Amino acid sequence: DTGVSQNPRHKITKRGQNVTFRCDPISEHNRLYWYRQTLGQGPEFLTYFQNEAQLEKSRLLSDRFSAERPKGSFSTLEIQRTEQGDSAMYLCASSSYPQGRMRNTEAFFGQGTRLTVV
Amino acid sequence: GQNIDQPTEMTATEGAIVQINCTYQTSGFNGLFWYQQHAGEAPTFLSYNVLDGLEEKGRFSSFLSRSKGYSYLLLKELQMKDSASYLCAVRSNTGGFKTIFGAGTRLFVKA
Repeated sequence: DTGVSQNPRHKITKRGQNVTFRCDPISEHNRLYWYRQTLGQGPEFLTYFQNEAQLEKSRLLSDRFSAERPKGSFSTLEIQRTEQGDSAMYLCASSSYPQGRMRNTEAFFGQGTRLTVV
Repeated sequence: GQNIDQPTEMTATEGAIVQINCTYQTSGFNGLFWYQQHAGEAPTFLSYNVLDGLEEKGRFSSFLSRSKGYSYLLLKELQMKDSASYLCAVRSNTGGFKTIFGAGTRLFVKA
């Protein structure tokens, strides 16, 4: 396994267009997270899945954003009618569900998709 | 909700020791992580604390006090390559073990 893979690495789009990003997690990981990161800030939580179930969406995620993980493996994040404020790095991370309270189950991050809306 | 605070920037000298602090407020605490992130790259895992005390891993150590909602990352024998952002992240078991990140501390190591 080569780790978490995200495609594309870079995306430039015109305002108002729709974009879709893909994340392939580490194969044995059942948790998958999407974060957004802007310059000088930490990753900001967007949503996460356990297997195919989307457990939570951040209130920051408007209805223009939707994420899926249809078979509990790869995930897609779609942004409709993009706005300039959507320009950011979109990070995907995967981990195992912590079976024990003391278990260290850190998240492994992909390289991210950098979105520029012009 | 959750809140994580850490200094925005720090500067230290090569070969020295630096301590990066993190304070947090959360319900259902289930672990604290430190990640390193070089500019333009993905965050990489450094350490994990769930019990009070110090965890040492080579030049890096991380401390946790759950009663104080406080952690620090200690970097010894600083090297130029340690110049990066250091992210404090807290996992909570409310809402299913979600991990929230602080804004990060940018560390500049000078010769």
